[in-house]
Formats: sequence, structure tokens, C-alpha cells
Amino acid sequence: AQRVTQPEKLLSVFKGAPVELKCNYSYSGSPELFWYVQYSRQRLQLLLRHISRESIKGFTADLNKGETSFHLKKPFAQEEDSAMYYCALSGPSGAGGYQKVTFGTGTKLQVIP
Amino acid sequence: GAVVSQHPSWVICKSGTSVKIECRSLDFQATTMFWYRQFPKQSLMLMATSNEGSKATYEQGVEKDKFLINHASLTLSTLTVTSAHPEDSSFYICSARPPAPRGTGELFFGEGSRLTVL
Repeated sequence: AQRVTQPEKLLSVFKGAPVELKCNYSYSGSPELFWYVQYSRQRLQLLLRHISRESIKGFTADLNKGETSFHLKKPFAQEEDSAMYYCALSGPSGAGGYQKVTFGTGTKLQVIP
Repeated sequence: GAVVSQHPSWVICKSGTSVKIECRSLDFQATTMFWYRQFPKQSLMLMATSNEGSKATYEQGVEKDKFLINHASLTLSTLTVTSAHPEDSSFYICSARPPAPRGTGELFFGEGSRLTVL
């Protein structure tokens, strides 16, 4: 069974402070990990995925297979980062097509001016 | 990115009636669409995977007869909440992935449909 755990429901940080949103997963295999973000009154959208290893809006996330973690980090929080963040896991895409995606419970990031 | 659209955005109905929610992929064909339910301040719960031309795959605990899913074409999936009750009130979200090679595994979400059952 695949499972995603986000231990923090709410994370409040001051503007300019570092941010780390935690995500741990459980999956017997090589998963694909994603971070999705939902800004106020907007639909869910992809922020980044572990495969691309890119930085989006200053956010990065490294897959740590030993710790089964995929924490989202940003060195300096900005007010516009305030949103709901969801960590998500999918089985690897293959000949059978895409696998279903399991979401964590989400962490609300609140950046205080 | 790809575009997924849901309709209606919100609906209010009386208890005992049925409500249909549509999910369309506007610029790609989706053989598979996913239906989620989101409770207030909680995560997305996958309800079912909608498969074009075949039966939907429901997650454990989701009533098939209560939540009817029809994926009649490559761009449209519908979720019908039958004999709705107040406890069915929720935010329903659909999503889809463009097929390879355009798709890279990223899910594109509809704007969601808020159902309120009186």
C-alpha cells in the first residue's frame, strides 16, 4: 500500500525565514514524488516533481530513499508562498500507463509579514 | 499546461435528489480521469478512477451505487451523486493526465465542484 504523511497541518513562518514542509512516504518500490500547491481560491497545481530535480519559485525537494522523505524547502519565505501544500506519490509510469496518485493530508503554510 | 474543466462549480440540491458533475479535458484526450473528494481542511481522498469505455475503479469504502461514474468519451467523465444526503455535501475535484509523450505524470485538476445537500 502506498501512503503519504505530512505531519504538520499548519506551518507559520516569518517572511524571510527558511521553510521546510515535511513529507514521508511508504511505498514498496520506486515511487514518483510530487509537491502540489493550492493558492487561495485557485485549483491545485503542480509545484515540482522529484524526477525533474528543478527549483520552482525558489522551492526544492530532494528524494531521500533511506529516510523515505521528500521534504519541501525554501531558504527565504515570501508572503506569496502562503498556500496549501500537498505531497503526493505515484507508482512509476510504465507500459501499463500511469499509476494512481496518493496525496498527503496537506500543510498550510502561512507566511507572516 | 493542459486544461481540465468541471461543471458546475457549485450546486445546491434537496436531499434525495441526484446531482451530476461533469469533468472535461479541454485540450487533450484522457483515457483515465480521477475523482477526488475533499473535506474541509482535509486532504484529497481518491474516490475512483474513471476509465473511458469501461467501468470505473472505485477505492475501498466508496459506494459504487451512490457515486456513479461514466466516462463515455475521451474528453468527458461524469460523476453522479445519487439520492444525495447532507453527508454527501463536499468539494468534488476531478483530475487527468495527458498521455505520453505530452504527459509527464503531472495531474491537471479541475476547479472543483462544491455540492451542498439540504
